[in-house]
Amino acid sequence: LAKTTQPISMDSYEGQEVNITCSHNNIATNDYITWYQQFPSQGPRFIIQGYKTKVTNEVASLFIPADRKSSTLSLPRVSLSDTAVYYCLVGDAWGTGTASKLTFGTGTRLQVTL
Amino acid sequence: GAVVSQHPSRVICKSGTSVKIECRSLDFQATTMFWYRQFPKQSLMLMATSNEGSKATYEQGVEKDKFLINHASLTLSTLTVTSAHPEDSSFYICSARDLREGRYEQYFGPGTRLTVT
Repeated sequence: LAKTTQPISMDSYEGQEVNITCSHNNIATNDYITWYQQFPSQGPRFIIQGYKTKVTNEVASLFIPADRKSSTLSLPRVSLSDTAVYYCLVGDAWGTGTASKLTFGTGTRLQVTL
Repeated sequence: GAVVSQHPSRVICKSGTSVKIECRSLDFQATTMFWYRQFPKQSLMLMATSNEGSKATYEQGVEKDKFLINHASLTLSTLTVTSAHPEDSSFYICSARDLREGRYEQYFGPGTRLTVT
C-alpha cells in the first residue's frame, strides 16, 4: 500500500486559496488518489479523486504531475467552514476486497481564520 | 453522492457488555465494507475488511474474537464489540465502495461514538 506524507497543519485566512500537497512516492499503477475532509465527530467526506493530470469539481481541484508521486489539493477561496482535517489517500480503485482498502495517514489540519 | 449510514450514532454501555453497530449502504450495493476506529485527535485506523458472504479480514493487532464482523447482505455489515472495556471507547466508522460502472469512490458513514463505562 502506498504511504502518503502531508503537512501536519496549515493556517489560512478566509478568502485565500489553499494548496495542500501530498507525497506518495511508491504509488502503484492501479492506484487512484483520493482526498477526504473530516470534521470532528463525523465520518470523512469525499472531496475529489483523480488518476493523473488535473481534476476539478465544484469544491476543489486536484493537480497530479506526470510521475504521480505527489498530488496537490487546491481549495479556492476558503471560508471558516473549511476548517477541518484533510486526508490524502492512494488505493487500488479497480481492486475488490482487501486490494481496495484505504489506509489513512496523519492528515492535514487546516485552520481558517478571519 | 452515495450514502452510507450507521446506527446507532452514539452508544454508552457498561463494561463487560456487547454492543452491535450497523453499517448500511443506502443507494448502492457493497460487496466490501471497511471498519475503522478513531481515537481523539488521531487518524482513522483500519480494523478490518468486511466481505459479503465470507469471513472478514482483520488488520494486524485487531482481535477478531473481540470485534465480530458480519456482512450479511450487499447493503449491511455489522460490527459487534464483545465484552467491551473502557479502552474500547472510540469513534467507529464504516465505509463502503461504490463499484457501479465508472465509479471508484469510497464513502464513509457518519460514525458511531462508543463510550464504555
